[in-house]
Amino acid sequence: ETGVTQTPRHLVMGMTNKKSLKCEQHLGHNAMYWYKQSAKKPLELMFVYNFKEQTENNSVPSRFSPECPNSSHLFLHLHTLQPEDSALYLCASSPATSGGAGELFFGEGSRLTVL
Amino acid sequence: GQNIDQPTEMTATEGAIVQINCTYQTSGFNGLFWYQQHAGEAPTFLSYNVLDGLEEKGRFSSFLSRSKGYSYLLLKELQMKDSASYLCAVLDSNYQLIWGAGTKLIIKP
Repeated sequence: ETGVTQTPRHLVMGMTNKKSLKCEQHLGHNAMYWYKQSAKKPLELMFVYNFKEQTENNSVPSRFSPECPNSSHLFLHLHTLQPEDSALYLCASSPATSGGAGELFFGEGSRLTVL
Repeated sequence: GQNIDQPTEMTATEGAIVQINCTYQTSGFNGLFWYQQHAGEAPTFLSYNVLDGLEEKGRFSSFLSRSKGYSYLLLKELQMKDSASYLCAVLDSNYQLIWGAGTKLIIKP
């Protein structure tokens, strides 16, 4: 069992669909993150949750909606996406965000294609 | 603005040595990370430098010069499994991670 698990690994959706990405961490960490990874671009931080509270929202469009029901689970709800949203969405966790992110533990990502 | 620069792609030969450079301009500095990411897999932590100098960890070493805003990752005795992307990231004064676009390393036999 890996430390951070993401499902689904691959997702194809139309622009009018609603879908969700799920992330689960088994490391006992208190901080969880959503990142967007596009080819040849730096990782883009989307959302940060620390002790289930959202502490960061980097001007992400409202068509992306995060949910963190507890410290072990993180969701990214998707609706009315655009083709430019096609990317690899990475979930990560760390012990905490205060005093520095420290080492991040990443999931293998959900490859999203928007048609 | 904040910026991390690293080469887009590098090629090296199995058994050789390769150095991947990373230069940064950030608002403050609280450490620099290197991550490895194999195609289709999760990025994994390689190293963390916060003081100047060289940190060695097996075949991999990471160097930092804060005055020059410069780091490199040195990979020795290259193996085919070292083919991956290497991501440089800096923790700025607000403890935000600023990422480079990554360097794709191709190892040839």
